[in-house]
Amino acid sequence: NAGVTQTPKFQVLKTGQSMTLQCAQDMNHNSMYWYRQDPGMGLRLIYYSASEGTTDKGEVPNGYNVSRLNKREFSLRLESAAPSQTSVYFCASKPGLSGYTFGSGTRLTVV
Amino acid sequence: GNSVTQMEGPVTLSEEAFLTINCTYTATGYPSLFWYVQYPGEGLQLLLKATKADDKGSNKGFEATYRKETTSFHLEKGSVQVSDSAVYFCALGGGSASYDKVIFGPGTSLSVIP
Repeated sequence: NAGVTQTPKFQVLKTGQSMTLQCAQDMNHNSMYWYRQDPGMGLRLIYYSASEGTTDKGEVPNGYNVSRLNKREFSLRLESAAPSQTSVYFCASKPGLSGYTFGSGTRLTVV
Repeated sequence: GNSVTQMEGPVTLSEEAFLTINCTYTATGYPSLFWYVQYPGEGLQLLLKATKADDKGSNKGFEATYRKETTSFHLEKGSVQVSDSAVYFCALGGGSASYDKVIFGPGTSLSVIP
C-alpha cells in the first residue's frame, strides 16, 4: 500500500545511546517532515526537507540530526539520547499544498 | 507568528449527539486550514480541509467552514458514533511554497459512549 513507512514502531534506549529512526514514502512527494508528539503539546516540528538534498530546522531541532538520503527516505538521528526525548515520533510527507500523509509513528522511551 | 487554538478536552458524548469542536487561528496572509484525526495507536489522518474563505470542507459526516471574519474553523458532526472516538487536531498551513509547514493545535480528545 502506498504511504509513509516508519521503523521501528517501538524502541527503548538508555540515556546516552544513539539511534536512527527510518522513514520512507513511495508517493513521490518532494517534502518530508519529522514531528514529535507529547501529551498536551500537540505536534512539534523537529526538522523538515523541502526536497532531496535539503534540510531545515523546525521548532525543536536540538538533540537531533536528519538526513534526506534520496527522494524516498528521510531519517532522524538521536546522537546521545536523553529522557526529555521520550516521545512519539511521526514522519510525514506532502505533495505541494495538500495536507500531510503521516506514518504510524515510533514510540521511543529513554530511560 | 501563526498559531492555532482549540477547545480543551476531553469531550464525552453519547452516541447520536451533535458534535462541535471549536478552533480559532492567528495567521498572516491566506492560510489553508485542516482537521486531522488520530485514532488510538495510529498516526494522524487528514479528515478535511479548506483552502480559502467561506470554503466548506466535509468528509465522513464531518464539516468545517473557513470563516475569515471570525478566524475560525469549527468542526461539526450532526450525529456521532462510537467509531468517531479519537483525537482531533485543527491545523493551519502557511504560505504558497510546496514545503510550507503545517502548525497543529494541541488536539481535542473525543469519547463517544453507546
